[in-house]
Amino acid sequence: GIQVEQSPPDLILQEGANSTLRCNFSDSVNNLQWFHQNPWGQLINLFYIPSGTKQNGRLSATTVATERYSLLYISSSQTTDSGVYFCAVGLGQNFVFGPGTRLSVLP
Amino acid sequence: DAGITQSPRHKVTETGTPVTLRCHQTENHRYMYWYRQDPGHGLRLIHYSYGVKDTDKGEVSDGYSVSRSKTEDFLLTLESATSSQTSVYFCATHSTDSYEQYFGPGTRLTVT
Repeated sequence: GIQVEQSPPDLILQEGANSTLRCNFSDSVNNLQWFHQNPWGQLINLFYIPSGTKQNGRLSATTVATERYSLLYISSSQTTDSGVYFCAVGLGQNFVFGPGTRLSVLP
Repeated sequence: DAGITQSPRHKVTETGTPVTLRCHQTENHRYMYWYRQDPGHGLRLIHYSYGVKDTDKGEVSDGYSVSRSKTEDFLLTLESATSSQTSVYFCATHSTDSYEQYFGPGTRLTVT
């Protein structure tokens, strides 16, 4: 099956800093999403981005499908950005999550 | 966000007992999913449904069954719970128009 890697596994930032999270996957996919799991456990969909670039406020994402990776950019980080960021990929409905990047933003 | 609720939110049960978790959505989404989340494993797909009475297995389906008799409800059943099924269970849905998945709040299940 598809293998998904995320880096770094852990990241600690001061408020206001920028960061880049990476997702590598092992096979062609037509479905790639980024999620944020907040400290209370809720999973929020950030982007559906099987290819190309999208931006939503301070967050943006780029997927280069031909090279099998995706990047999530967080600018001017805030303490509310803390939590775990998951990349998930698949073909159609069979969806595989990466192990996540745990982000801690310090005030 | 899709209106997705899960019940119960917390449950403690004994090994060998049957358990049913419910996912309810108000968005009329065709696709529904059950995942489990465990430390060290992230989220793993258990079963999914692509319509009423249409379901398929995911990566970790052994020991679980599902049913979908109405668009809005997707039930996950553990016929005989084991301690290895202690986990947090999430339901997710998406529409026919988009793969974007929306998650419920989760159910924390403890099997003693």
